[in-house]
Amino acid sequence: NAGVTQTPKFQVLKTGQSMTLQCAQDMNHNSMYWYRQDPGMGLRLIYYSASEGTTDKGEVPNGYNVSRLNKREFSLRLESAAPSQTSVYFCASSEIGEQYFGPGTRLTVT
Amino acid sequence: DAKTTQPTSMDCAEGRAANLPCNHSTISGNEYVYWYRQIHSQGPQYIIHGLKNNETNEMASLIITEDRKSSTLILPHATLRDTAVYYCIVRVARQTGTYKYIFGTGTRLKVLA
Repeated sequence: NAGVTQTPKFQVLKTGQSMTLQCAQDMNHNSMYWYRQDPGMGLRLIYYSASEGTTDKGEVPNGYNVSRLNKREFSLRLESAAPSQTSVYFCASSEIGEQYFGPGTRLTVT
Repeated sequence: DAKTTQPTSMDCAEGRAANLPCNHSTISGNEYVYWYRQIHSQGPQYIIHGLKNNETNEMASLIITEDRKSSTLILPHATLRDTAVYYCIVRVARQTGTYKYIFGTGTRLKVLA
């Protein structure tokens, strides 16, 4: 039981490049979330998915797209990366109670 | 949505109880208080949650005031490994059936040897 896994762990992009962050959970949870965490700050919600086939915007969705591929997987795509998107990205899943977080992806955009 | 206010940082001597306060004066009647912690830059780790009553588990105790406007997380015997950022979060129900977890900037707890 791996919980929530994220790939890659680290990534460096140039401005304007695109990439997809992958997230998978093996706890059969319906809800999944993408957060970003900037230095010294708390987590801010980018997008979430209440169930397979549905996605909704969070606090800071601009510049991102998501796909809930199936119940297990929820990906986050940056179509044209900007330096302001340099951050640590966390994926989480939950059922009714607490959220379970992945280890994070450290993204640097130069 | 309910917001939380926490002290920016606290120190605690190893072996002593760490008491971390949180204000959530605008919390609604059906909104839970959750506590998470984040060690270094790892993913946040769930500690405990509660609605009205005090709660205890193997990690910590949660004391919620009768008016529910504030709470305190208690780590009974802090160790060096408890050094982390502790987040007090209010869980808000959405119409979609999911929940929104509102993170603040947290309290940076340093346990001193």
